[in-house]
Amino acid sequence: RKEVEQDPGPFNVPEGATVAFNCTYSNSASQSFFWYRQDCRKEPKLLMSVYSSGNEDGRFTAQLNRASQYISLLIRDSKLSDSATYLCVVSPSNTGKLIFGQGTTLQVKP
Amino acid sequence: GAVVSQHPSWVICKSGTSVKIECRSLDFQATTMFWYRQFPKQSLMLMATSNEGSKATYEQGVEKDKFLINHASLTLSTLTVTSAHPEDSSFYICSAETGANEKLFFGSGTQLSVL
Repeated sequence: RKEVEQDPGPFNVPEGATVAFNCTYSNSASQSFFWYRQDCRKEPKLLMSVYSSGNEDGRFTAQLNRASQYISLLIRDSKLSDSATYLCVVSPSNTGKLIFGQGTTLQVKP
Repeated sequence: GAVVSQHPSWVICKSGTSVKIECRSLDFQATTMFWYRQFPKQSLMLMATSNEGSKATYEQGVEKDKFLINHASLTLSTLTVTSAHPEDSSFYICSAETGANEKLFFGSGTQLSVL
């Protein structure tokens, strides 16, 4: 079983749609959780950290459920520029060591 | 924000040659750097953790004699793919930590193609 599992997609949605991505992780001792965005052949860029209380940054909302070992990302009012691969990332400790999911590809169509 | 410079961005080499990739923190000291590899349509996989002045810690399944990591200074870590073969063709990317529990910054990655 992969340490971090995501549905690879692709998710094809029209502009303005709301889309949700889910992710599960296997290590219950994981400390930190993130969503990264990666464009083709580029480095991943931090989208947001994820907290148990849930957090929102503009059109993006992330949620963590430690009991279920489940992380989600909701994107509202999708823009064409949101097209990318979204990586669910878990850190087993408070270090820079990151465990990446396979990524979920989002294509926003006009 | 902090910048991590990674070079080269692209490299094409013949099978059997060695390739060196540099990861440099430009405006901060990175005591720890991480090296990842990403095959097409797959996740980034951690290869090794590089600590300044000490031997790198390799993840299970990563050959330390094939992927030589040197972190001789607080601003530079290098990954050398020795005797590269076509199956080593991949996207290699480094990241650097500004300090314990601090932010992490990624290099721009190196696409290696071995012919």
